[in-house]
Amino acid sequence: SAVISQKPSRDICQRGTSLTIQCQVDSQVTMMFWYRQQPGQSLTLIATANQGSEATYESGFVIDKFPISRPNLTFSTLTVSNMSPEDSSIYLCSVELGTGEDTQYFGPGTRLTVL
Amino acid sequence: RKEVEQDPGPFNVPEGATVAFNCTYSNSASQSFFWYRQDCRKEPKLLMSVYSSGNEDGRFTAQLNRASQYISLLIRDSKLSDSATYLCVVNTDFNKFYFGSGTKLNVKP
Repeated sequence: SAVISQKPSRDICQRGTSLTIQCQVDSQVTMMFWYRQQPGQSLTLIATANQGSEATYESGFVIDKFPISRPNLTFSTLTVSNMSPEDSSIYLCSVELGTGEDTQYFGPGTRLTVL
Repeated sequence: RKEVEQDPGPFNVPEGATVAFNCTYSNSASQSFFWYRQDCRKEPKLLMSVYSSGNEDGRFTAQLNRASQYISLLIRDSKLSDSATYLCVVNTDFNKFYFGSGTKLNVKP
């Protein structure tokens, strides 16, 4: 597996502001993903973070709201822009190691509360 | 229709019991299948992959039925520490992971 860290682990933000979440992996990985888990719900894929190119967004998620960067094979950021209370959620990054298995491993998550 | 469906539970069982969860998926072209475990306020962690021939890992047995498009997880001799939410995960032919809503298990003394 891989050691994945996320910063911040939690935050409370005001409506209309933006928050950037960082995901750091201890080894180079082929694929990185960002998910959202709303209270009492399962995980929903926001986008696939592509190294050196624009992220691939899922239906219902757009770049203006959730800009993503992936400057190298070990790091990615997700920004939640112009936040509203509906954005309160846990945001998780995950990785595929590219070792032949397609298993995903998750970071510890960022718990976001928007007031 | 959801890609992956699970009974949300909760399943309340005594220690030592055997409990089974099922999960159905809608995309017949799905390639790979997993069970993840998620503890309260924690990230999902891989419990086991599910292979076509079925596989076992200690007290845990996973099975796949492609014809009926369902996956099962059997837990024998339940422990208090097995209390968690169990997520069924399906990887489709477009390399996307779809998560079920999870089945909550409470193992009681």
